[in-house]
Amino acid sequence: GAGVSQTPSNKVTEKGKYVELRCDPISGHTALYWYRQSLGQGPEFLIYFQGTGAADDSGLPNDRFFAVRPEGSVSTLKIQRTERGDSAVYLCASSKTGFGYGYTFGSGTRLTVV
Amino acid sequence: AQKVTQAQTEISVVEKEDVTLDCVYETRDTTYYLFWYKQPPSGELVFLIRRNSFDEQNEISGRYSWNFQKSTSSFNFTITASQVVDSAVYFCALSPDTGGFKTIFGAGTRLFVKA
Repeated sequence: GAGVSQTPSNKVTEKGKYVELRCDPISGHTALYWYRQSLGQGPEFLIYFQGTGAADDSGLPNDRFFAVRPEGSVSTLKIQRTERGDSAVYLCASSKTGFGYGYTFGSGTRLTVV
Repeated sequence: AQKVTQAQTEISVVEKEDVTLDCVYETRDTTYYLFWYKQPPSGELVFLIRRNSFDEQNEISGRYSWNFQKSTSSFNFTITASQVVDSAVYFCALSPDTGGFKTIFGAGTRLFVKA
């Protein structure tokens, strides 16, 4: 597609529920990233995919968070047993492969856990 | 430690004023990239510029200019003759060579440009 698409744009869920956030990157971008942005903060790295594999998942806060990219395009970030502290904007970005390319970000999914 | 510090939390200027957004970074890597991104009220982060650690040449793009100084580990961003549409949060970011492909963002500077 022309840009990075994230769905849903907003998600409200109850504490303890499971959520899935979807990212559709720019066509041809093999690198895909998930970041999390809390109010008043810069984006914080969660996970990076190169193709289908998670090349770096060191930013995932705990084992309730998991992400997949089965066909090397669309990615899904999954959060189990959501907690109120998970509330944030989840940003997806894609880029060309390689070190030092700027990202194209999606509009984000605002997750609110009540 | 790999870190980006944007000491200015908020800046408010009147239209047509020049404004400089400061960015200081920390890394032990000799190879790295620096970036600036803009996040307007609509929320989507927009890539503005990247600089690699071996290129200290300053860059100008229209009303925007960037000053990279390795000696002070700074990568400052100046907007000349600011406009209301420049109102946004601006993030400086660092991609160090040993950081894989992740990018480390500063906390951002919120710029208000008043008419």
